[in-house]
Amino acid sequence: AQSVAQPEDQVNVAEGNPLTVKCTYSVSGNPYLFWYVQYPNRGLQFLLKYITGDNLVKGSYGFEAEFNKSQTSFHLKKPSALVSDSALYFCAVRGGYSSASKIIFGSGTRLSIRP
Amino acid sequence: EPEVTQTPSHQVTQMGQEVILRCVPISNHLYFYWYRQILGQKVEFLVSFYNNEISEKSEIFDDQFSVERPDGSNFTLKIRSTKLEDSAMYFCASEGQAPRNTEAFFGQGTRLTVV
Repeated sequence: AQSVAQPEDQVNVAEGNPLTVKCTYSVSGNPYLFWYVQYPNRGLQFLLKYITGDNLVKGSYGFEAEFNKSQTSFHLKKPSALVSDSALYFCAVRGGYSSASKIIFGSGTRLSIRP
Repeated sequence: EPEVTQTPSHQVTQMGQEVILRCVPISNHLYFYWYRQILGQKVEFLVSFYNNEISEKSEIFDDQFSVERPDGSNFTLKIRSTKLEDSAMYFCASEGQAPRNTEAFFGQGTRLTVV
């Protein structure tokens, strides 16, 4: 069975500092990994994905994530945080072998950027 | 940019009533999903739909729930007899030809309140 863990409920960072939001996963077979962001009272907005290839994936709004197979992790990073990055971030994974296998979401990490 | 649209944005219903949540997926997408999120918490998978049938469903998706794609464009979620605990934000998502290589696109959600 596939699963995703986001060990931090909340991450607080000062504006301009680097940020990291942690994610670990467990799947059968090769993982397909995603990060989504949710702003207040809004839907889920895709940020980036890892399917294959380079372990460092770049996405929207200056975010990037590093796939680490040995540690089964896919941490989200940004070199310099903005106040507007404050939102709820979800790591997600798709595994398995069926053509329409579901995406499973982590519990979410609330990112708070202070001015 | 194409997007998934959901209606209504907010639905209030009395316990025991039937509700239908509507979604218009992105044109030419073939895979469709419903997820729910209770009070800004974890995003939970409900059901996936492909080729006019359910591909997979979670334990949440019991006999009170059903999905259909009646006219080839709309994708609906019906809750036959709502319970208080069905109150949540419901998200529809769609995905293209090769779901294992792509991300799911989510709508803005329908907030269902059961009173």
